[in-house]
Amino acid sequence: QLQLRESGPGLVKPSETLSLTCTVSGGSISSDSYYCGWIRQPPGKGLEWIGSIHYSGSTYYNSSLKSRVTISTDTSKNQFSLKLNSVTAADTAVYYCARGRGSYSGWGQGTLVTVSS
Amino acid sequence: DIQMTQSPSTLSASVGDRVTITCRASQSISNWLAWYQQKPGKAPNLLIYKASSLESGVPSRFSGSGSGTEFTLTISSLQPDDFATYYCQQYNSYWTFGQGTKVEIK
Repeated sequence: QLQLRESGPGLVKPSETLSLTCTVSGGSISSDSYYCGWIRQPPGKGLEWIGSIHYSGSTYYNSSLKSRVTISTDTSKNQFSLKLNSVTAADTAVYYCARGRGSYSGWGQGTLVTVSS
Repeated sequence: DIQMTQSPSTLSASVGDRVTITCRASQSISNWLAWYQQKPGKAPNLLIYKASSLESGVPSRFSGSGSGTEFTLTISSLQPDDFATYYCQQYNSYWTFGQGTKVEIK
């Protein structure tokens, strides 16, 4: 059974870099046609797609965040990662990792990241 | 960027009601649309993909329809477990979520 789990600091200072890792078990992130993505949800608000990486290595980013985001994979560990630079309080959210073939059928439980000094 | 607009934002309904949620895309997305259900404190759960395909394990009271720019999610007979927030998502060009529709108890 596919499982995803986010990990990383729960508190990040303003202007610093938010770094999260998603560990996937029960399925390979290198499998044909799969995308691995990051989605966030500010407290009390809706879902926002951050970016995705295809098994081929191609990356896709939300245009509103593109200048600050990097998504990468470590296939040897079956993990993919998110880096978001120059964070502000507006980046406080629950961050989810997900995997699917366009639609996302597998999700992590989410991790709350708070941006505060 | 493709924008997704859901209506209504909030819907009050009773157990047994037929419920319909609409999602409109700012440009044609063919049938590259998914619907998710999210309960408080939980990750979203995929219900429908490719506009009308039911994800494995999802009850048959959920159905999706539409193509191009207009889509609907229908719950044929609302059950107590269905009170939640529903999101549409396009994946024709990158990914975009709708703003969500909260289904409340009437």
